[in-house]
Amino acid sequence: SQQGEEDPQALSIQEGENATMNCSYKTSINNLQWYRQNSGRGLVHLILIRSNEREKHSGRLRVTLDTSKKSSSLLITASRAADTASYFCATDPYNYQLIWGAGTKLIIKP
Amino acid sequence: DTGVSQDPRHKITKRGQNVTFRCDPISEHNRLYWYRQTLGQGPEFLTYFQNEAQLEKSRLLSDRFSAERPKGSFSTLEIQRTEQGDSAMYLCASSLSEGTGELFFGEGSRLTVL
Repeated sequence: SQQGEEDPQALSIQEGENATMNCSYKTSINNLQWYRQNSGRGLVHLILIRSNEREKHSGRLRVTLDTSKKSSSLLITASRAADTASYFCATDPYNYQLIWGAGTKLIIKP
Repeated sequence: DTGVSQDPRHKITKRGQNVTFRCDPISEHNRLYWYRQTLGQGPEFLTYFQNEAQLEKSRLLSDRFSAERPKGSFSTLEIQRTEQGDSAMYLCASSLSEGTGELFFGEGSRLTVL
């Protein structure tokens, strides 16, 4: 079953603009992770934020976590064509597996 | 490159045939996971191993599916008597049980059942 829900399902922006994606989840978590998937490829880990953290940065990525609202956001600043991909959030209500949302499909127009 | 590798990358088969996928995890990783992903959806957990022990199996995994990880190294996922509904991307990932929780994925094996 899917625990996370990403919003929007699809996002199309101009190169250079910022992209924001949101993720909501249902149960308590230890951490929340964001992954990127290029079409037809495997998933690549982007960033992990722990339940006791509120914000984390990695290069052009900024992730926030609000455990009271059970939600997270991923901001990609100064988007590039190479950022075109699907982005998934994943949570760990169980120790051994991640529960995934359906993803946000991001298209960066040149 | 010593990342996770999966083989084959693509498999087309006829309904009723058996197929087997192989996954070679990152060598020092003791956890190995299988996920299934259909178009437009996130990965769905199928099963996971810690070393050679299969510790959890999803209810999605019917008795036509079997996974092994002999000697705690590579893993195989076999689907017997394939059905058209089995068409999907099968993803393998590995991690360290004492790590951050980050999963390292292979490129996946795409199955098409005709």
